[in-house]
Amino acid sequence: GQQVMQIPQYQHVQEGEDFTTYCNSSTTLSNIQWYKQRPGGHPVFLIQLVKSGEVKKQKRLTFQFGEAKKNSSLHITATQTTDVGTYFCARLPGTSGTYKYIFGTGTRLKVLA
Amino acid sequence: GAVVSQHPSRVICKSGTSVKIECRSLDFQATTMFWYRQFPKQSLMLMATSNEGSKATYEQGVEKDKFLINHASLTLSTLTVTSAHPEDSSFYICSARDMVGGTEAFFGQGTRLTVV
Repeated sequence: GQQVMQIPQYQHVQEGEDFTTYCNSSTTLSNIQWYKQRPGGHPVFLIQLVKSGEVKKQKRLTFQFGEAKKNSSLHITATQTTDVGTYFCARLPGTSGTYKYIFGTGTRLKVLA
Repeated sequence: GAVVSQHPSRVICKSGTSVKIECRSLDFQATTMFWYRQFPKQSLMLMATSNEGSKATYEQGVEKDKFLINHASLTLSTLTVTSAHPEDSSFYICSARDMVGGTEAFFGQGTRLTVV
């Protein structure tokens, strides 16, 4: 399956600054999911977006799905040291029905206190 | 959320030996589980889809005879790395989806394999 590209690959921010990671696909996505992996840990599900132009919020996190359903973004407002980790988007390819998750390249966030 | 238990969390083995990794869904049933491999500071690369009661589906480039997958029940999938070599050293993670739940994936804790 075609991997989804994420930018940036790395991001270092000062605590309190905002952070955004982008997920881009050359093909239309049926849905997009976001996961967070803490250093040394395993991925943990954050959210799923399905509808074109959808926006969902979880406290300081805002998730968007593009109108064309080819891109998505995760924005963190006023980062905290607990936000450190790698953020992955993941897609389910087409209508395979197998729920075979393909992960994006990931964005590693480091928050400097 | 649902819990997936993966065991062992760390294993060191000698070249040429085989290592078995277990992935269990503790509070839900999963007809399908997934095995991923993750190199340091890289993304998760899907290795294979484990199907309960049938053969696993391997991704392109993944050696079936090298990475044996068995999914004998609705709550257990195993990955056996056969005749391990140092280049097999990696972080292996399984995931599963609740048959009656949503589409999110629940991940095991991962297994750090070091082949010496």
